[in-house]
Amino acid sequence: QSALTQPASVSGSPGQSITISCTGTSSDVGGYNYVSWYQQHPGKAPKLMIYEVSNRPSGVSNRFSGSKSGNTASLTISGLQAEDEADYYCSSYTSSTTVVFGGGTKVTVL
Amino acid sequence: QVQLAESGGGVVQPGGSLRLSCAASGFIFSNYGMHWVRQAPGKGLEWVAFIRYDGSNKYYADSVKGRFTISRDNSKNTLYLQMNSLGAEDTAVYYCAKDLKRYNSGCFDYWGQGTLVTVSS
Repeated sequence: QSALTQPASVSGSPGQSITISCTGTSSDVGGYNYVSWYQQHPGKAPKLMIYEVSNRPSGVSNRFSGSKSGNTASLTISGLQAEDEADYYCSSYTSSTTVVFGGGTKVTVL
Repeated sequence: QVQLAESGGGVVQPGGSLRLSCAASGFIFSNYGMHWVRQAPGKGLEWVAFIRYDGSNKYYADSVKGRFTISRDNSKNTLYLQMNSLGAEDTAVYYCAKDLKRYNSGCFDYWGQGTLVTVSS
């Protein structure tokens, strides 16, 4: 199972919006609505930010939103803040009953 | 509140074995599927294994199939990962993570802090 494709890095200025893409295949991202996004700060465990493509867990800021079109899912962070600087990973359930992650995207707040 | 606490990590020689444990609290452990996810130093996340809420189904990444075994003891609220034939490529922080559902939804809503496994002679 190949990893999902994410850009290595994305940057933006405070207050701006950025979007991170996550491209898979019809056997994972395109085939199921089980796409999730995680935020990971250095030395910390990942934190769930979006589940089932576009749902936000309780306590996660509404500045984070998710969507999907075909085999590509996206995470948008609006009103970018310094605390959003972190690594972001997407994941998807697959037709092989496994789970696949994206390679990760480093978000930099300029 | 949900807590997951991994233990059992350490340094092991190539070809050796190690068993990781994950003690769960703050939720009904027997109602949820559980995963192991690992992260090699400076690298991204890699899913390792999943076990259904009742232990009836287990799934593995190709990279560990035949070497690793996931199990759970619902009476002890504990998840395990038995790792055999370890190689340098298995060096990573190992996280246990709770699934959103009883079955494998591929969504991890809670994570432990991780335990470091280093395979080295």
